[in-house]
Amino acid sequence: QKEVEQDPGPLSVPEGAIVSLNCTYSNSAFQYFMWYRQYSRKGPELLMYTYSSGNKEDGRFTAQVDKSSKYISLFIRDSQPSDSATYLCAMIKSVDMRFGAGTRLTVKP
Amino acid sequence: DTAVSQTPKYLVTQMGNDKSIKCEQNLGHDTMYWYKQDSKKFLKIMFSYNNKELIINETVPNRFSPKSPDKAHLNLHINSLELGDSAVYFCASSPQGAVNTEAFFGQGTRLTVV
Repeated sequence: QKEVEQDPGPLSVPEGAIVSLNCTYSNSAFQYFMWYRQYSRKGPELLMYTYSSGNKEDGRFTAQVDKSSKYISLFIRDSQPSDSATYLCAMIKSVDMRFGAGTRLTVKP
Repeated sequence: DTAVSQTPKYLVTQMGNDKSIKCEQNLGHDTMYWYKQDSKKFLKIMFSYNNKELIINETVPNRFSPKSPDKAHLNLHINSLELGDSAVYFCASSPQGAVNTEAFFGQGTRLTVV
């Protein structure tokens, strides 16, 4: 079993839809939880991070962490074609950063 | 001003060859990483260095050897390349894993072994 599980999709939604992306993890030692976005042929870029259970909002993006269930989510409201990318969840314990498999998202105009 | 730069960007080589990928960061970060991304986009950690010291060495064949001459550089040398080594290799750096969590990635090195 991988330490971080993420459904690779692909996921295709119409413009304006609400997108829900999820990851589960098995190691309770993870302290920080992040979402990275990766466009084709580019390196991943940090989208959001949090270190506690609860919600964190940034514009159209909301990151949610439930440490008791070992479950994290990313919600995208009013999705745009420019949101089309691969979204990777990531988790850190000390200097060890682990990624999920990435979910490929396409937002159709 | 590129924060994390990798060279080369593309690398095509024959099986059995030895090759190196270089990584440099100008952010003053303490921690650097090498990741391998396969065709399905899964990012797998290979190595992590903190202040030039090897911290994480995942189950990676001995043919892969990282070298950190100083805090700003982390190079990856690969001996006796195999077809299965074909992937995109990403270098990343962060100030310190548990304190400031943003890792900055390079553009990746697309390695093709033929």
